[in-house]
Amino acid sequence: GAVVSQHPSRVICKSGTSVKIECRSLDFQATTMFWYRQFPKQSLMLMATSNEGSKATYEQGVEKDKFLINHASLTLSTLTVTSAHPEDSSFYICSASQGMRAGGSSYEQYFGPGTRLTVT
Amino acid sequence: QQQVKQSPQSLIVQKGGISIINCAYENTAFDYFPWYQQFPGKGPALLIAIRPDVSEKKEGRFTISFNKSAKQFSLHIMDSQPGDSATYFCAASKTGANNLFFGTGTRLTVIP
Repeated sequence: GAVVSQHPSRVICKSGTSVKIECRSLDFQATTMFWYRQFPKQSLMLMATSNEGSKATYEQGVEKDKFLINHASLTLSTLTVTSAHPEDSSFYICSASQGMRAGGSSYEQYFGPGTRLTVT
Repeated sequence: QQQVKQSPQSLIVQKGGISIINCAYENTAFDYFPWYQQFPGKGPALLIAIRPDVSEKKEGRFTISFNKSAKQFSLHIMDSQPGDSATYFCAASKTGANNLFFGTGTRLTVIP
């Protein structure tokens, strides 16, 4: 159980174009999804948190107009990198959680396999 | 500001040895401490997690030791195997918050 998929696994795009990455929870309903960015040999950097049916909350320094997040259903969130540039090349990872238990503790986050974006 | 500090950055262990990775945190509100294992080109996978009401949790060859007063926790991998070679991340979160604060990662290499 608790499987999260991402599509595509790798994408190469030209500078100035937009790229959409999908994140799906396959066997559970994800009230909350997270998007991370990871540079080589570095830790995961949280970009934004999205709750189903509401606007995403972006971390400081992350351009919301550049990284569009849509959490359209309890099993799907998308990240669109608009007008991509070479500096956007990175490994993008999503995670999904059932949200909060009654009493306030969080459910575990389950991570997708990641998407390698290369902008040429 | 790094909320969770992790060391060492890299670790080389002989097959059969014990791998130990340490993490420290400052925010006493943190009450959930998971460890993730990540292989190259893959997303992190939850390995084991602990809450501060216990000082140790063991699952197979993996053990988390937790020291609440020192605000430290560590991952011990017993009988380390070459297949354990990966990057390990500790993390922390707090009740009422969804997001995880990750350590900087430890690249473990187990030599046959």
